[in-house]
Amino acid sequence: ETGVTQTPRHLVMGMTNKKSLKCEQHLGHNAMYWYKQSAKKPLELMFVYNFKEQTENNSVPSRFSPECPNSSHLFLHLHTLQPEDSALYLCASSTLGQSGNTIYFGEGSWLTVV
Amino acid sequence: DAKTTQPPSMDCAEGRAANLPCNHSTISGNEYVYWYRQIHSQGPQYIIHGLKNNETNEMASLIITEDRKSSTLILPHATLRDTAVYYCIVRVGGTPLVFGKGTRLSVIA
Repeated sequence: ETGVTQTPRHLVMGMTNKKSLKCEQHLGHNAMYWYKQSAKKPLELMFVYNFKEQTENNSVPSRFSPECPNSSHLFLHLHTLQPEDSALYLCASSTLGQSGNTIYFGEGSWLTVV
Repeated sequence: DAKTTQPPSMDCAEGRAANLPCNHSTISGNEYVYWYRQIHSQGPQYIIHGLKNNETNEMASLIITEDRKSSTLILPHATLRDTAVYYCIVRVGGTPLVFGKGTRLSVIA
């Protein structure tokens, strides 16, 4: 248990569906992240939120839409995805403004697009 | 791009120490060395980090060379549950983690 909870753990969706991934952290952190891990590839950073403001978008297609309503919650809204978007999506959180601050990850949401 | 170089794979006998090397020859003075591991199908797990000095916690020890250009993660008594991909990452505090391919450690009974 890392203090970062992701739901659902598994999701199967069609290419025309709209779904959302949810992340909640109970660590009092003020930065949250979305990462993507495709099969046999390194983890790729998607988005960064600091104090609810998006500070980094790593050239992610618009069919992925993040939302950060407060410092404890992060969503990834999914619409008109492609089969190649099937991957493990990981949420993480950390504090800001501290040297050597540690980033903690959730267990991930496995997404399959059919 | 990842700023570290790690061997793609290593084997270790159960009960022995696992020593995982990492080269980071371009590390900057304000960059920390972090180690994470990822057991199959799970999120990355934080292990340890350090700046200049050697560090030890309940999971592992981190040995950083004096010039800071390389480090070694030591798992003192490897068990089968330590089989995972281990990532060595250098980063300035407050910035996101950039992952490379890591080292796949297989602990063998």
